[in-house]
Amino acid sequence: AQSVTQLGSHVSVSEGALVLLRCNYSSSVPPYLFWYVQYPNQGLQLLLKYTTGATLVKGINGFEAEFKKSETSFHLTKPSAHMSDAAEYFCAVRPSGGYNKLIFGAGTRLAVHP
Amino acid sequence: DSGVTQTPKHLITATGQRVTLRCSPRSGDLSVYWYQQSLDQGLQFLIQYYNGEERAKGNILERFSAQQFPDLHSELNLSSLELGDSALYFCASSVQAGGPVDTQYFGPGTRLTVL
Repeated sequence: AQSVTQLGSHVSVSEGALVLLRCNYSSSVPPYLFWYVQYPNQGLQLLLKYTTGATLVKGINGFEAEFKKSETSFHLTKPSAHMSDAAEYFCAVRPSGGYNKLIFGAGTRLAVHP
Repeated sequence: DSGVTQTPKHLITATGQRVTLRCSPRSGDLSVYWYQQSLDQGLQFLIQYYNGEERAKGNILERFSAQQFPDLHSELNLSSLELGDSALYFCASSVQAGGPVDTQYFGPGTRLTVL
């Protein structure tokens, strides 16, 4: 069965610092990979996704993620954190064949302090 | 704004009761998905409908049921409610039933509180 592990339930960075949120997946075949962000009292917003092709994926708000098949990872990064980035971030996988359901990680809450 | 709408925003009810959550997908989307977000279970897929037909089932309890209507809106019915059913229920929609370009867009959620 496929699963997603997000290392670190809470990450705290200073404004302007690098943001690195870790995601590892387990799957017998490379799945489709997603990062969603949830701001307080809001729904999930798609940040970026990897399906096929280029392994470095750029998303909204300056975020990007790199698919590394050998490491089964899909870590999310942003060079310089902004106060408005404070939110909960979810990594998700979807099987590349078959059903369309998303399997989510437990989430990482990002705090940005001045 | 994703274009997916959910009503009501908040729902407070008592144990043993039945409630209905409603979802309208983005214009043109044929698939609707329901997810449950709770503190102990995280975000879990419940069920998917595509063009009126059930497509996939996840960890959905027998007390829960869903349907998608001809106008493509969907309803999630929760009955014999228990305290543990308190959660945020999200609806998502996508154009197709799957495939690499098929992306799910989420609504704002319905927060259910069972007292």
